[in-house]
Amino acid sequence: DAGVTQSPTHLIKTRGQHVTLRCSPISGHKSVSWYQQVLGQGPQFIFQYYEKEERGRGNFPDRFSARQFPNYSSELNVNALLLGDSALYLCASSVLRGEQFFGPGTRLTVL
Amino acid sequence: AQKVTQAQTEISVVEKEDVTLDCVYETRDTTYYLFWYKQPPSGELVFLIRRNSFDEQNEISGRYSWNFQKSTSSFNFTITASQVVDSAVYFCALSERPAYNQGGKLIFGQGTELSVKP
Repeated sequence: DAGVTQSPTHLIKTRGQHVTLRCSPISGHKSVSWYQQVLGQGPQFIFQYYEKEERGRGNFPDRFSARQFPNYSSELNVNALLLGDSALYLCASSVLRGEQFFGPGTRLTVL
Repeated sequence: AQKVTQAQTEISVVEKEDVTLDCVYETRDTTYYLFWYKQPPSGELVFLIRRNSFDEQNEISGRYSWNFQKSTSSFNFTITASQVVDSAVYFCALSERPAYNQGGKLIFGQGTELSVKP
């Protein structure tokens, strides 16, 4: 079975632009979570979605938003990009009360 | 507040040495979960183990072993006879008890970069 997939792999944007990152969970997983990992640090929780509803939100500004689709895939949107948004964005999926399995991440560079 | 501390930023060992990665956590919950993940240079986090707060039994999986001690709020990870392929960043993480239909957000430590030299 395929693992968690994310697209694109790499992305370069300039300050002020908008970006959309995509995630497809493992088949049968209904929960998707997003994390931001700045270089040299541990991942920081951004959002969790389950059954298309937001179930948790981390300490991130309103420029960050996300949604989950009927097929359980998810998008993370970031508006008005700042240099500090440069990071590896990780998506994780899980079954009910299960451990989270991570995708390969999208490396975002903001110039 | 929940917090995970991995005091060792970098560890360097020679192949075949044993190495222990430390993890100390803080939580007010009585039910919680602890995890270890491995992050190789490719960037993908690889799940290694999940332990719930009611199970203090140590676990061994091949060359890997984990020591969970609630009395000291620690969940340490030992690699026996380390190999070059073990080189990676290792993260300890904590999850509050998940609600019925949630996976529970993970709170990660800063990570320990392990370098195993031949």
